[in-house]
Amino acid sequence: DTAVSQTPKYLVTQMGNDKSIKCEQNLGHDTMYWYKQDSKKFLKIMFSYNNKELIINETVPNRFSPKSPDKAHLNLHINSLELGDSAVYFCASSQDNRVKSYGYTFGSGTRLTVV
Amino acid sequence: RKEVEQDPGPFNVPEGATVAFNCTYSNSASQSFFWYRQDCRKEPKLLMSVYSSGNEDGRFTAQLNRASQYISLLIRDSKLSDSATYLCVVNNEGGSYIPTFGRGTSLIVHP
Repeated sequence: DTAVSQTPKYLVTQMGNDKSIKCEQNLGHDTMYWYKQDSKKFLKIMFSYNNKELIINETVPNRFSPKSPDKAHLNLHINSLELGDSAVYFCASSQDNRVKSYGYTFGSGTRLTVV
Repeated sequence: RKEVEQDPGPFNVPEGATVAFNCTYSNSASQSFFWYRQDCRKEPKLLMSVYSSGNEDGRFTAQLNRASQYISLLIRDSKLSDSATYLCVVNNEGGSYIPTFGRGTSLIVHP
């Protein structure tokens, strides 16, 4: 039973398109995240939601819009895709936003390629 | 200075060796620390939390040095299956507990 599941696993799309990535966690966690890992393997946080409320928004272009319909789901919609958006996007969750001992649980990633 | 720094490696060691990685952080208000392991084309997975008093889990020992602002990971008796990238994570106080990942240290264990 997958703890944090994200779909799709692979996404190849043309520049200018709009796409969405979905994420769901069944761990009962309060906090969910989106991370971007670029070609240099740097993992950078993009957004965090705690109980459906946006708590972290890290200088991400406003073409990226997260949506959290409930605390178990955090989706990422990207408008007008650009070549530089190509990366692996990881969803993650944690028990709460203080993350004292239990850390983060990651989904398996969505490999986005913009052509 | 970057917030969280790691030597990218690779560290190339024979099976059975002991290897240690350090990770330095710049924010003295940082509160919680973790080591993650990431295999090629996979997601990061929690290896261990790092506690102030240091902690051990089998062959792995993690330590925190607040005075010098670094955490360390020691792997004893390296196995081939330990080959991976090891990421340190630092959580900063400041309302949002923003997690910052290091770039990772690559470990290759060879026969």
